[in-house]
Amino acid sequence: RKEVEQDPGPFNVPEGATVAFNCTYSNSASQSFFWYRQDCRKEPKLLMSVYSSGNEDGRFTAQLNRASQYISLLIRDSKLSDSATYLCAVNINAGGTSYGKLTFGQGTILTVHP
Amino acid sequence: EPEVTQTPSHQVTQMGQEVILRCVPISNHLYFYWYRQILGQKVEFLVSFYNNEISEKSEIFDDQFSVERPDGSNFTLKIRSTKLEDSAMYFCASRDRGPASINEQFFGPGTRLTVL
Repeated sequence: RKEVEQDPGPFNVPEGATVAFNCTYSNSASQSFFWYRQDCRKEPKLLMSVYSSGNEDGRFTAQLNRASQYISLLIRDSKLSDSATYLCAVNINAGGTSYGKLTFGQGTILTVHP
Repeated sequence: EPEVTQTPSHQVTQMGQEVILRCVPISNHLYFYWYRQILGQKVEFLVSFYNNEISEKSEIFDDQFSVERPDGSNFTLKIRSTKLEDSAMYFCASRDRGPASINEQFFGPGTRLTVL
């Protein structure tokens, strides 16, 4: 089983739609969780950290379910500019020491159309 | 706003040649990373570097790879004898002190390595 797994999509949605992505992780020692956004041939950019209590930033909401080992990202009122690949990333703290290595999922492609 | 920079943006090399990819992390950051992304695939961790030594490395990071922080500002990745399968985008990242759970890793724009 892959350490971090995402539905690759693609998700094609109209402007204004709400879309949700899930990401599952297999290692229960996973400590911290992030959603990154990656535009074509560009570097990943942090969208949100994901906290146990869930967190919201404008149109974006991230949630963590440790019992089921998944995180989610909800985008409301989609904009054309939201078109990108969304990467789930996990920092695994195995053995009590973590220098911050991120393990990424393969990404979910989102296309928002007019 | 401070940013991670990488040079060159694109490197073309012949199989078997040595390449050095350069990165300038954000100046007050303490943790440094290299990741790679083969076209169409996921971003993969290569190595982390802290306190002037490798803190963690992946299976990809074999004896052909090495990292160095020669002068307190540059952070380099060397591939001694490139293979075709080393063709990928290589991203450098850095982060500040403190727990990994709260500190964002900032990624550079990447170097696209093409091995012919």
